Amino acid sequence: EPEVTQTPSHQVTQMGQEVILRCVPISNHLYFYWYRQILGQKVEFLVSFYNNEISEKSEIFDDQFSVERPDGSNFTLKIRSTKLEDSAMYFCASRLSGASSYNEQFFGPGTRLTVL
Amino acid sequence: AQSVTQLDSHVSVSEGTPVLLRCNYSSSYSPSLFWYVQHPNKGLQLLLKYTSAATLVKGINGFEAEFKKSETSFHLTKPSAHMSDAAEYFCVVSDTGGGADGLTFGKGTHLIIQP
Repeated sequence: EPEVTQTPSHQVTQMGQEVILRCVPISNHLYFYWYRQILGQKVEFLVSFYNNEISEKSEIFDDQFSVERPDGSNFTLKIRSTKLEDSAMYFCASRLSGASSYNEQFFGPGTRLTVL
Repeated sequence: AQSVTQLDSHVSVSEGTPVLLRCNYSSSYSPSLFWYVQHPNKGLQLLLKYTSAATLVKGINGFEAEFKKSETSFHLTKPSAHMSDAAEYFCVVSDTGGGADGLTFGKGTHLIIQP
């Protein structure tokens, strides 16, 4: 069964460094998302991406964050200068289409980012 | 705007007894509602979804949920708990069926199964 994959599973970085989290959505899906879950807190929406541009972003998604679909398969989240509070589990998700019967989002296993 | 309230942060039941995880939602439009499960160190797996079809929705692993518009609720139930059901459960709402809006998650309910 097709699934969303994410790499790496765990990323440790120093404060101020740039990190890139990578995701491979399900191949025929058109909508892509990033969410984060700070330890002990709920999952929060960061950004959605469709047709090679950002569709919507939350207030969390500030200028330190960017997303890109550099080729036909990868979907990346870049954090330019990491802060301690960026430590969290980051989930990628994808969705087939906009039709209501297909609005299920499929989630990847997550990347745990630890900022020291 | 949309929001989700999961009424219990922790629920503990004995194996073989019924499970009830409570969820209330707020939505400006006709919502789509979901329950996701997260096992330790695993990703998020969809249990079931409501998208304006039948109000009683059956999902995987014997779970089901009933959409009650008058009560703005979408409680998750299972007749008989199994040890493997121990996990974190998230009630999730989406306002738009056709757009690209992100999902809004509840804070989660930690389900504990006593042997």
